Amino acid sequence: KQEVTQIPAALSVPEGENLVLNCSFTDSAIYNLQWFRQDPGKGLTSLLLIQSSQREQTSGRLNASLDKSSGRSTLYIAASQPGDSATYLCAVGAYNTDKLIFGTGTRLQVFP
Amino acid sequence: ETGVTQTPRHLVMGMTNKKSLKCEQHLGHNAMYWYKQSAKKPLELMFVYNFKEQTENNSVPSRFSPECPNSSHLFLHLHTLQPEDSALYLCASTQQQGGVNTEAFFGQGTRLTVV
Repeated sequence: KQEVTQIPAALSVPEGENLVLNCSFTDSAIYNLQWFRQDPGKGLTSLLLIQSSQREQTSGRLNASLDKSSGRSTLYIAASQPGDSATYLCAVGAYNTDKLIFGTGTRLQVFP
Repeated sequence: ETGVTQTPRHLVMGMTNKKSLKCEQHLGHNAMYWYKQSAKKPLELMFVYNFKEQTENNSVPSRFSPECPNSSHLFLHLHTLQPEDSALYLCASTQQQGGVNTEAFFGQGTRLTVV
């Protein structure tokens, strides 16, 4: 059974720091991995999608990497800003199932 | 306009009420999903529809009844709910091709409170 874990569960940093959020999964038979952002009480916003054949994807200050063999993905946030404060979720798309399997998220707070 | 729209955004209902949640996607996707998000728990998949056919029911109690009249619209009918059903209900859509899903897009959710 696929399990997805995110570490740390919560993170509080001053503005300007470079951050790394971690996501690990137990079964490497995935076809993609997606990172989302969720603001309190709101829906999920897709940040980056990495196909299983890719090693990384970049969007602005965000960079996501994928090491399928070791069951890990990292989300790198450069020069963090207070507006980056949110919960970040990773989810894997696994073969032979219709569903995304989510981690429990990392709650990030960036203070001025 | 977001790709996936959910209404209402907030709903308070008594345990004997009947209400419905609505989701509409404007992305041309063929698969739609209902997820439940409770405090401090991972997102829980409830139902999946692919080309209007239900392909997954994740052991959801019968007081939750989904309906997918076409590939753009998805409903969740609610009746005789319990207070523990209070949660954020999220709708999502993807394009399913060859057994895999493309990027998933979510609505803003409906915050449901059962009193």
